[in-house]
Amino acid sequence: GENVEQHPSTLSVQEGDSAVIKCTYSDSASNYFPWYKQELGKRPQLIIDIRSNVGEKKDQRIAVTLNKTAKHFSLHITETQPEDSAVYFCAASNPGNQFYFGTGTSLTVIP
Amino acid sequence: KAGVTQTPRYLIKTRGQQVTLSCSPISGHRSVSWYQQTPGQGLQFLFEYFSETQRNKGNFPGRFSGRQFSNSRSEMNVSTLELGDSALYLCASSSRLAGGPETQYFGPGTRLLVL
Repeated sequence: GENVEQHPSTLSVQEGDSAVIKCTYSDSASNYFPWYKQELGKRPQLIIDIRSNVGEKKDQRIAVTLNKTAKHFSLHITETQPEDSAVYFCAASNPGNQFYFGTGTSLTVIP
Repeated sequence: KAGVTQTPRYLIKTRGQQVTLSCSPISGHRSVSWYQQTPGQGLQFLFEYFSETQRNKGNFPGRFSGRQFSNSRSEMNVSTLELGDSALYLCASSSRLAGGPETQYFGPGTRLLVL
């Protein structure tokens, strides 16, 4: 089955700096890659996603890149703000709609 | 549209008991997936139901089971509870209209504590 690895597990950045979280996957059939943000005590919320026919996608301060050949995808957050502090999860899904999640990255933005 | 809802939000059980959790998807969504979230393991996939049929299953023992009703609401049951079953159980719904993977929207979760 699919194996999704996520790094780093914790990340601290100064407010205004950029944050990058990386994930790798093993199943070449995976074709959908969402990213979720989970604040303490709350449900995971989708922040951005990308499909395998696209290499990059941006939404304001957030961007995701996908390298299908290398089987890795990354989340980039620019101009970080304290409210970006949360746990971020990457996921990979195959055409059968089965999702596999990374183990999460705890991001702390220091004011 | 109302979001995904889960009941109950909190549960305390003792070892050996069984528990049933409920999930109501977003109106119009026909796929419901269940996940177990623990601090060390992240989100582990349990199973997915679509049109009342289990379509995918994760690597959990047979003590974990589920079902889906004709209105797309889903229940998850855990029998013979063990201490290690203590976790946050999340369900997520998606429309599955296109047949392939689509955005999943999560419920608030049910926090289960097994004593």
